[in-house]
This record gives sequence, structure tokens and C-alpha cells, in this order.
Amino acid sequence: SAVISQKPSRDICQRGTSLTIQCQVDSQVTMMFWYRQQPGQSLTLIATANQGSEATYESGFVIDKFPISRPNLTFSTLTVSNMSPEDSSIYLCSVSVSTYYEQYFGPGTRLTVT
Amino acid sequence: GESVGLHLPTLSVQEGDNSIINCAYSNSASDYFIWYKQESGKGPQFIIDIRSNMDKRQGQRVTVLLNKTVKHLSLQIAATQPGDSAVYFCAEYFSSNTGKLIFGQGTTLQVKP
Repeated sequence: SAVISQKPSRDICQRGTSLTIQCQVDSQVTMMFWYRQQPGQSLTLIATANQGSEATYESGFVIDKFPISRPNLTFSTLTVSNMSPEDSSIYLCSVSVSTYYEQYFGPGTRLTVT
Repeated sequence: GESVGLHLPTLSVQEGDNSIINCAYSNSASDYFIWYKQESGKGPQFIIDIRSNMDKRQGQRVTVLLNKTVKHLSLQIAATQPGDSAVYFCAEYFSSNTGKLIFGQGTTLQVKP
């Protein structure tokens, strides 16, 4: 298993600004993932972040809008750039430890853009 | 396209009863099907998985059934408890998309005391 923490837990931001979300894992993991969960909706994968390589983005998500860093095996950041109200969501990071489909999730960052 | 969906958005059950949460999927190439539980204010938590070549798998108080003929997945929770109140998501995984989970829309389970 893995214990994941995220910072901040929530934030209210003005449109046009950027927010960087941090994800910290208590053990070294190869694969980390970033998801978006809009209010009352399911989870949508934004990107996969592997240490030592560029993040792999899913369709509809681009690096300019959601730059990701993965400096080591226990940490990653996701930046939401030039925010608009449509970016209001919960952003979650997750890791896979033993199998790709058994993922451990952080508590999420609740972002509100005004 | 690929999709995993759920039949009912909300399920309300009496404490002590059994709960059945259903999920329909469209991608026959999935290798695994997984159930996650998300409590309010928390991230999803892995419950149980089933490989695509199986039709039933049991865990502690939970059973997952897979019917590939009709592309249907269900999660059965025995003796439902108040702590089971959460949103339940089914997800599918196939190895050609390494690490990628596709989540369904979720069912809210409400347990009445």
C-alpha cells in the first residue's frame, strides 16, 4: 500500500492565475497519475507521470495548461495554468504499487475558480 | 468509443440488507474490472478486482460478478453497514493502456439505519 498526501487540500483562485498542487507519497513508486473529478462526476485521467520522463497526457489535456513535474520517485506536482471557472474541480493524484489497476489515491485538492 | 457506465445513480438500502451495485461496460478487450469506493471528501479506495477470464470473485463481505455475455459487472455487499455509504465506481483496465483506468459514472449508496 501507499499513503499519499496532497497540498493544498482546497483553494479558491481568481481566473487567469495558476495553482500548483503537490503530491507526496510515503514510498518510492514508479507510476503516478493525475485525475480530475468535476462536481458529482467520475474521474478523468489527466496524465501519467513517470520519473525521468515527460508526462503522458490524455486526449483533451495539454502540457501548456497542465504542466507536470516528477523530480523523484516520491513527489509530483500538477499546475493548473491560466485558470477559468471551468477548471473548478477536485484534482487527485494516485500511484500504483504492485499492479497497474490497484491504485492508491490522495485525498484530493478541491479547486474553485472565481 | 470506450465507456464504462452505471445503471443507477443512487441506491438506498436498509442497514443489514444486501446491496447490489451494477455496471455496464462496452470494451470487450478489458483485462481487469475493478471496484472503487469513494467516501465524502476522500480519494477513491480500491475494493476488489476481477480478471476478465473469471466470472466471480469474493472478498470480505463483497462479491463481484462478471457476465461477459451481456457486458455486465456487479458488486454485491453483504449485510450493508452505515460505513458502506459512499460512491462506488467501477473501472476497467486493459494492459495495452499501461496503467490507465477508465472509470464509470458512479453509484451513490445510502444506508438507512
